[in-house]
Amino acid sequence: EAGVTQFPSHSVIEKGQTVTLRCDPISGHDNLYWYRRVMGKEIKFLLHFVKESKQDESGMPNNRFLAERTGGTYSTLKVQPAELEDSGVYFCASSHRDRGRIPLDEQYFGPGTRLTVT
Amino acid sequence: AQKVTQAQTEISVVEKEDVTLDCVYETRDTTYYLFWYKQPPSGELVFLIRRNSFDEQNEISGRYSWNFQKSTSSFNFTITASQVVDSAVYFCALSEVDYGGSQGNLIFGKGTKLSVKP
Repeated sequence: EAGVTQFPSHSVIEKGQTVTLRCDPISGHDNLYWYRRVMGKEIKFLLHFVKESKQDESGMPNNRFLAERTGGTYSTLKVQPAELEDSGVYFCASSHRDRGRIPLDEQYFGPGTRLTVT
Repeated sequence: AQKVTQAQTEISVVEKEDVTLDCVYETRDTTYYLFWYKQPPSGELVFLIRRNSFDEQNEISGRYSWNFQKSTSSFNFTITASQVVDSAVYFCALSEVDYGGSQGNLIFGKGTKLSVKP
């Protein structure tokens, strides 16, 4: 079974440009999460999709970030326009959703996309 | 507020030594999950263990063991007879459960970088 994949693995852009990150979750996983780790800080939650719907986007830093999940499959995270402080590693994770099941499924993470804004 | 503290930023040991990685958490909820993830040099986050708040039984898996103590809000991770391949960044994380039974987002500690030297 293929794991969570992310593209690109590394992106270097200039301040003010636009970048789109892509995440392909494990097939059949309804939950999809985006996280970000800024240098030297904790990995922070950005948002959570259940299928194509945004369940929780409380971690999105500002309106320069736009996440979509077309058809409940892959997801994209667009940063427009990028700022220097957006540099970091963006992780995507997915998990199976089975409402009411205890224990709950762990989140499987992708390798991350390292974004560098210069 | 929810918070995960990993006080050890870096640990260096010699192969075959035992090493314990500390994790202290804060939450007001009575139902929550605790996790450990490993991040090897390749970058992805690898799930190691999930523990729910009602199960304080310690767990052993090969050379890995976990000590969950609610009285001290700690979930420590011990590697016995460490090996060079254990070198990685280890993250402790907390997740709360909503009333629908679904897993919430993960709250991570800053991670502990473990270096095991031959």
